[in-house]
Amino acid sequence: KAGVTQTPRYLIKTRGQQVTLSCSPISGHRSVSWYQQTPGQGLQFLFEYFSETQRNKGNFPGRFSGRQFSNSRSEMNVSTLELGDSALYLCASSQLVSSTDTQYFGPGTRLTVL
Amino acid sequence: DAKTTQPPSMDCAEGRAANLPCNHSTISGNEYVYWYRQIHSQGPQYIIHGLKNNETNEMASLIITEDRKSSTLILPHATLRDTAVYYCIVRVAHGAGSYQLTFGKGTKLSVIP
Repeated sequence: KAGVTQTPRYLIKTRGQQVTLSCSPISGHRSVSWYQQTPGQGLQFLFEYFSETQRNKGNFPGRFSGRQFSNSRSEMNVSTLELGDSALYLCASSQLVSSTDTQYFGPGTRLTVL
Repeated sequence: DAKTTQPPSMDCAEGRAANLPCNHSTISGNEYVYWYRQIHSQGPQYIIHGLKNNETNEMASLIITEDRKSSTLILPHATLRDTAVYYCIVRVAHGAGSYQLTFGKGTKLSVIP
C-alpha cells in the first residue's frame, strides 16, 4: 500500500503571498490531520478532517485553513504568509476504525517564506 | 492527555540494544502509550503502541511497568539508521472520534559506530 504523499516537497514563497499544500492519505484512510513543525515550537497540531468536515482545530490563526475532498485528499492553505510560517508541514492519515487507530505521517512539505 | 518526560539525548553503540525511557506518571486507565521516531527532516514514523501489556513488533519492543507510570522502548540491535528523535506520546483511545497527537521534545538517540 502506498504511504501518505504530500506535494510539493519544497516551496519558497515571499511574505504576503498565499500557499496551498496537498496531502493524499493512505488508501482507505478517511481522517487527515495536519501538523506544523518549527525548531522553536516543535510539532504542533493544526487541524483534523474527516468526511470533508473539520472536527478538531489547534491554536493557529485564521490564516491557516484547510479542506478535505470526497476522496479523502486534503489541502491546507496559508494566506498572507509571514516569516514565522517557515516550517515543515506534515500530514498524517488514519482509518479511524478502532479506538487505537494509528496516524501515519507523510514526508512533509518544507515551506520557506522570504 | 497525560504529559510525558523523556531524556533529551542518549547514545548507543551500534549493535547494542537501545533502551529509551519515558515517564508518564499521570497516565489514566484509558490512555495508550505510542512511540514515533523522526529521522532528520522526515515525517514521524510510527513504531509501536501499548496499553498495559508488553508489546513487540518487527521494529521494537515496548515494556510498560505494572503501574503504567513509565515505559521503555527497546531497539534490540541498534544500527546507524536508528539515529533519530524518539517521541513517547500518551493519548486517549477514541471510538471513531477525532484525536490529536501531542509531541514533546523527544529523545535524540545517537547510534555510535
